[in-house]
Amino acid sequence: GENVEQHPSTLSVQEGDSAVIKCTYSDSASNYFPWYKQELGKRPQLIIDIRSNVGEKKDQRIAVTLNKTAKHFSLHITETQPEDSAVYFCAASQGSSNFGNEKLTFGTGTRLTIIP
Amino acid sequence: SAVISQKPSRDICQRGTSLTIQCQVDSQVTMMFWYRQQPGQSLTLIATANQGSEATYESGFVIDKFPISRPNLTFSTLTVSNMSPEDSSIYLCSSRAGGIDTQYFGPGTRLTVL
Repeated sequence: GENVEQHPSTLSVQEGDSAVIKCTYSDSASNYFPWYKQELGKRPQLIIDIRSNVGEKKDQRIAVTLNKTAKHFSLHITETQPEDSAVYFCAASQGSSNFGNEKLTFGTGTRLTIIP
Repeated sequence: SAVISQKPSRDICQRGTSLTIQCQVDSQVTMMFWYRQQPGQSLTLIATANQGSEATYESGFVIDKFPISRPNLTFSTLTVSNMSPEDSSIYLCSSRAGGIDTQYFGPGTRLTVL
């Protein structure tokens, strides 16, 4: 089955600096890679996702890059703000195109702290 | 996006008892997923629930401990049976919306077993 590794487990950055979180996956059949943000006591919320036919995707201060050959993908947050403080999870799946294999396998999470 | 609700939001239970968690989606969906999130940990898939068929359980999870029902395309239940303190976790359901890959999560059920 799929195995997703995530680094670092904790990350502290000064407000206004950039943060990068990296994930690797093992199953070459995976083709959908979402990132979730989970604030304390809240449900995971999707912040950005990428599919294997795209190498990079950006949404305002958040971007995700994917290297299918190396089987790794990264989350980039620029101009960090205090409200970016949360736990971030990467995940991988074979997507809805492969019925029965849509399940998400999550990374271990990164606790991001933005220092004012 | 899909709107997903869960009941109860939290509960405190005695060991040896069972708790049934309900998950309601605001649209018809083929698959619903049940996850467990232990304190300070990541999300681990328990099982995938398809309407009209038996749930598919992940390694380490068995039907006798976590029976699942899926009576229609908008609703599912997860029962945590014969609970022990090790079952204290947050249990979340999720599903996709429409024909896209995005999975949305319910608010979770925080279970404490004494």
